[in-house]
Amino acid sequence: SQTIHQWPATLVQPVGSPLSLECTVEGTSNPNLYWYRQAAGRGLQLLFYSVGIGQISSEVPQNLSASRPQDRQFILSSKKLLLSDSGFYLCAWSLPVSNQPQHFGDGTRLSIL
Amino acid sequence: SQQGEEDPQALSIQEGENATMNCSYKTSINNLQWYRQNSGRGLVHLILIRSNEREKHSGRLRVTLDTSKKSSSLLITASRAADTASYFCATAGSSYKLIFGSGTRLLVRP
Repeated sequence: SQTIHQWPATLVQPVGSPLSLECTVEGTSNPNLYWYRQAAGRGLQLLFYSVGIGQISSEVPQNLSASRPQDRQFILSSKKLLLSDSGFYLCAWSLPVSNQPQHFGDGTRLSIL
Repeated sequence: SQQGEEDPQALSIQEGENATMNCSYKTSINNLQWYRQNSGRGLVHLILIRSNEREKHSGRLRVTLDTSKKSSSLLITASRAADTASYFCATAGSSYKLIFGSGTRLLVRP
């Protein structure tokens, strides 16, 4: 069966510090991968998605970047965090065909001080 | 931008009652999906309904889709305290991307 791992679960970082959040998927090949951010009490905003190694699509201009160095690894990064980067970050995967559900990790709660 | 909008934003019912949540969207879709999120956790997929389907069932869940009205509803029958969570609809167009609504917070009182 497929599993998705996302870490860390919580992170507290000072403004201006770098960020690296990692997500890995097991049990499937060539998945589509997604990074979302969720503000408190709100829905999910798609930040990045990837359909293959090195292929990243950015949905919103922002202080963040994403990379996919391996087939089942998706990394969310920032060189300098802003206060507005605080939030709940979720990674998800889906099969690379249409009409498929997405499967989510447990999320990372990021607080910027 | 958010396409799906759920209604109501919050719902409080007694255990054993049915819970109905509605979702409206604006553009054409390939499918509509419902997810559940427990507090502080990731989302769990519940049901996917394609644009050519009108109704789907899964256990105590029933989803309807009316593409002419661009709306969907999620019915949870015989609710339990464990159903307490936020429920989100998400629409998929021609790409793999999902656009999520802002969710309905359901509280089931024991």
